[in-house]
Amino acid sequence: AQSVAQPEDQVNVAEGNPLTVKCTYSVSGNPYLFWYVQYPNRGLQFLLKYITGDNLVKGSYGFEAEFNKSQTSFHLKKPSALVSDSALYFCAVRGRNQGGKLIFGQGTELSVKP
Amino acid sequence: DAEITQSPRHKITETGRQVTLACHQTWNHNNMFWYRQDLGHGLRLIHYSYGVQDTNKGEVSDGYSVSRSNTEDLPLTLESAASSQTSVYFCASSQLAGSADTQYFGPGTRLTVL
Repeated sequence: AQSVAQPEDQVNVAEGNPLTVKCTYSVSGNPYLFWYVQYPNRGLQFLLKYITGDNLVKGSYGFEAEFNKSQTSFHLKKPSALVSDSALYFCAVRGRNQGGKLIFGQGTELSVKP
Repeated sequence: DAEITQSPRHKITETGRQVTLACHQTWNHNNMFWYRQDLGHGLRLIHYSYGVQDTNKGEVSDGYSVSRSNTEDLPLTLESAASSQTSVYFCASSQLAGSADTQYFGPGTRLTVL
């Protein structure tokens, strides 16, 4: 069965420091991987996705994610965190024969303090 | 601008009542999805549709139904609302059947069943 794990419920970072939000997945074959962000009382906004090719994917708002096939991970990163990055982040996976269905992790609350 | 809207944004209902949540998208996307968001569970797929007259059950479909009579709309019906269905509901859409396609989310409906 496909699954996604976000091992940290909350990540706390000081403004200006690098941030990492972790995601590991379990899916047969080569997956498509996604990151979404949710601000309070809002819907999910797409950040970036991995389809194939370069393992480092760049997305919106200065975020990037690194696909590591051997570790089955897709960690979200940003070199310098902003207070406005504080939000709930979701990792999602889709197997290549699963049509349009996404499987989501449980989410990680990112808090960036000044 | 094309968008995806949900109504109502907030709804309070009583146990046993039938409730319908609306989802409307103006992107002319073929695929539409309904998810529920609960603490500790991330987003879980309820139902989805790949086109007009097509509907499919997701991970947590019991007690819910959908119908797709046109491209733009996928209403979600709770046949007899239960307290366990108190949640935030998100609608999403995507253009292609291909698995790399990005899903775009509506703003959500917060449903409380008393």
